[in-house]
Amino acid sequence: DAMVIQNPRYQVTQFGKPVTLSCSQTLNHNVMYWYQQKSSQAPKLLFHYYDKDFNNEADTPDNFQSRRPNTSFCFLDIRSPGLGDAAMYLCATSRGLAQETQYFGPGTRLLVL
Amino acid sequence: GNSVTQMEGPVTLSEEAFLTINCTYTATGYPSLFWYVQYPGEGLQLLLKATKADDKGSNKGFEATYRKETTSFHLEKGSVQVSDSAVYFCALRTNNAGNMLTFGGGTRLMVKP
Repeated sequence: DAMVIQNPRYQVTQFGKPVTLSCSQTLNHNVMYWYQQKSSQAPKLLFHYYDKDFNNEADTPDNFQSRRPNTSFCFLDIRSPGLGDAAMYLCATSRGLAQETQYFGPGTRLLVL
Repeated sequence: GNSVTQMEGPVTLSEEAFLTINCTYTATGYPSLFWYVQYPGEGLQLLLKATKADDKGSNKGFEATYRKETTSFHLEKGSVQVSDSAVYFCALRTNNAGNMLTFGGGTRLMVKP
């Protein structure tokens, strides 16, 4: 059974048109993460939530925002996608922040036209 | 800061060959070490982990031993299968970085029948 679910698996948007990617989890984990993975590169952490506490990585562009309305759901909003934002976006969860395994979703591949 | 270095791919092997993917790390403190696998078009899956020196992680025939003296965590498998074709990421996590993972650049493995 899927534990970290990402929808859609593929998303196409237009240059500059806002887009939202979604992630849900059935694990009741406290922490949710968003990573960006460009082709043939390692995943790069954008931000994470510990419960409702939002933590942004220092080099995450302002164009990327996130919302976590409840424990189960977390959204990634890209306000004005550029061609360079085309990537795989991975959601992950963990029970806590100390020595906890991260569980990844299947990812959403974003294409910007 | 923390960093992970993996051998560059692609690594191409014939079925039933022996696999080694090298991984070395630099970290402050005492890291936990991980191998994640990413199959084509999918998210990351935790393959194995080790949380302290001399621990051996193992799963699905893959093994890796945490070597503090050489700061390494090389991935091995005695006999690879076509279904092992994927990208393998070495990663670490330290207490002083919360639960944030630092990934290596990934190594693509291609197994031919």
